Amino acid sequence: DVQLVESGGGLVKPGGSLRLSCAASGFTFRSYSMNWVRQAPGKGLEWVASITTSGTYTYYADSVKGRFTISRDNAKDSLYLQMNILRAEDTAMYYCARDYNNYDVLDAYDIWGQGTMVTVSS
Amino acid sequence: EVVMTQSPATLSLSPGERATLSCRASQSVNSNLAWYQQKPGQAPRLLIYSASTRVTGISARFSGSGAGTEFTLTIASLQSEDFVVYFCQHYNTWPPAFGPGTKVDIK
Repeated sequence: DVQLVESGGGLVKPGGSLRLSCAASGFTFRSYSMNWVRQAPGKGLEWVASITTSGTYTYYADSVKGRFTISRDNAKDSLYLQMNILRAEDTAMYYCARDYNNYDVLDAYDIWGQGTMVTVSS
Repeated sequence: EVVMTQSPATLSLSPGERATLSCRASQSVNSNLAWYQQKPGQAPRLLIYSASTRVTGISARFSGSGAGTEFTLTIASLQSEDFVVYFCQHYNTWPPAFGPGTKVDIK
């Protein structure tokens, strides 16, 4: 089965850091661009960051630029999101998602993980 | 950057009725538009991409149309499991963006 499983969420104080992981299985991970999308409680979806297949190119939402870093380890079939200087407004469910096509360009997201919850609170 | 809007915010219909959900982009996104369904407590599920192409395994009662700035998701005959939230997303330029969603609830 094609699957993405996130981990690493939790409760962190404002200004703190957290590293999310996303383990991929059932497909050739290195062939797909990957993404992080978040959803605050009761709110809509917000694109956070994307990374191309080799990791050469990364893209960030303005709201996280300079604080978050997306990376991947194709040897481990894993995607990461390093989150620093966390704020209350970063509180959300964080999903990793796969591009629908393996074209290394902007795309829809066809496979999503179950999400990992990040809560930023003192 | 492109801003996505959806209307209505809530659509109240009865089972068996036809649902028409709208999505608008602040500038042209060509046909680079996707629709997602999200059930409570679950991750979003891709229904439609390229504005009108149904994902394999998605019921034929879901159809998408439009191009440029105006898009529509139509659910031909609402089933009980369809009364959930739907999001549109453009992926034409950076940054990609989602609409705020339309909740379809039972009248």
